[in-house]
Amino acid sequence: EAGVAQSPRYKIIEKRQSVAFWCNPISGHATLYWYQQILGQGPKLLIQFQNNGVVDDSQLPKDRFSAERLKGVDSTLKIQPAKLEDSAVYLCASSSLGGLFLTQYFGPGTRLLVL
Amino acid sequence: GEDVEQSLFLSVREGDSSVINCTYTDSSSTYLYWYKQEPGAGLQLLTYIFSNMDMKQDQRLTVLLNKKDKHLSLRIADTQTGDSAIYFCAEEGSNYKLTFGKGTLLTVNP
Repeated sequence: EAGVAQSPRYKIIEKRQSVAFWCNPISGHATLYWYQQILGQGPKLLIQFQNNGVVDDSQLPKDRFSAERLKGVDSTLKIQPAKLEDSAVYLCASSSLGGLFLTQYFGPGTRLLVL
Repeated sequence: GEDVEQSLFLSVREGDSSVINCTYTDSSSTYLYWYKQEPGAGLQLLTYIFSNMDMKQDQRLTVLLNKKDKHLSLRIADTQTGDSAIYFCAEEGSNYKLTFGKGTLLTVNP
């Protein structure tokens, strides 16, 4: 079974520029998550989708971050405009709600450096 | 609110046992998880424990849960150099939301 795919793997931009990340979850997984992992910290949930609906976006800085999951499959996360403090690894994860408990499968992440 | 605390560093010799500790705050957490992150990689689920269990063993891994003290530990027996990584404790809250600790960097010395 193919894992969670993310692209690009690395991105360097200047502050105030825009950037977009893409995630393709494991086939058939209804739930998709975007996390932000700042160096030295654990992942922090930004947004959670169930199919193409938003379940939780309470920690998403909505003035500059946006995310969508069209057709309930792939997802994009956008930052516009970027700030220096957005430098982090952006992790995508997906899960299926079958079974007794939830297992989130993580992609390799996109490393963003804002200069 | 939800908060997960972990010790930041642990160094052991190859062949010894490693114990990584974690405290959490959400008493309603149904599941608690341990994830492993190797350099440049995403997170890999190592093991989990259901909140009504005290202990779970899975090959070299033993998870202990003290629900009264909200304390979770991960013991790795016969630690190998390939176990060197960052280990994250996570609690599951409402809507299956995971809250992670800052991670414990495990260094295994030959």
